Amino acid sequence: GENVEQHPSTLSVQEGDSAVIKCTYSDSASNYFPWYKQELGKGPQLIIDIRSNVGEKKDQRIAVTLNKTAKHFSLHITETQPEDSAVYFCAAEHQAGTALIFGKGTTLSVSS
Amino acid sequence: EAQVTQNPRYLITVTGKKLTVTCSQNMNHEYMSWYRQDPGLGLRQIYYSMNVEVTDKGDVPEGYKVSRKEKRNFPLILESPSPNQTSLYFCASKPSSGANVLTFGAGSRLTVL
Repeated sequence: GENVEQHPSTLSVQEGDSAVIKCTYSDSASNYFPWYKQELGKGPQLIIDIRSNVGEKKDQRIAVTLNKTAKHFSLHITETQPEDSAVYFCAAEHQAGTALIFGKGTTLSVSS
Repeated sequence: EAQVTQNPRYLITVTGKKLTVTCSQNMNHEYMSWYRQDPGLGLRQIYYSMNVEVTDKGDVPEGYKVSRKEKRNFPLILESPSPNQTSLYFCASKPSSGANVLTFGAGSRLTVL
């Protein structure tokens, strides 16, 4: 089945710096790759997603890149702010939409 | 407001005492799913349902049951809870067509003593 590896598990940056989180997946049939942000005491919320027919997608300070050949995708956050502090999960869609397989998460801490 | 509602949000129970965590969505979504979140393990799927009366196992179904008698509700049943089911549980839903966006509930923290 699908396996998603996520690195790093923790990431600490200074406010204004960039943050990059990387994920790899195993199932070459996966075509949809979302990123979720989970704030303390809340459920995960989608922040950006990308489909396999696109190499990069950007939404203000957040961007996601996808390399289907290498089976990896990354989240890039520029000009980080303290409110970006949260746990971030990458995921890959598995078995025609029956499941999202999640990475183990990255705890991002942005200090001011 | 479009949302997924879970209850209870917090529960402490004892081994063997049957419990049900309810989940309800008001977005008319066909697909619903349960995940558990454990430190260092991320989110793992327990069960999912593609539509009413259609359910299937996820990656970690042992010790759990579900039912989908109505489109909006997808309860998670622990017939005989054990301490290894102490976890944070999330219900989620999405439409079967169009955007694949999974909408999560706020979570239910369960402790089994």
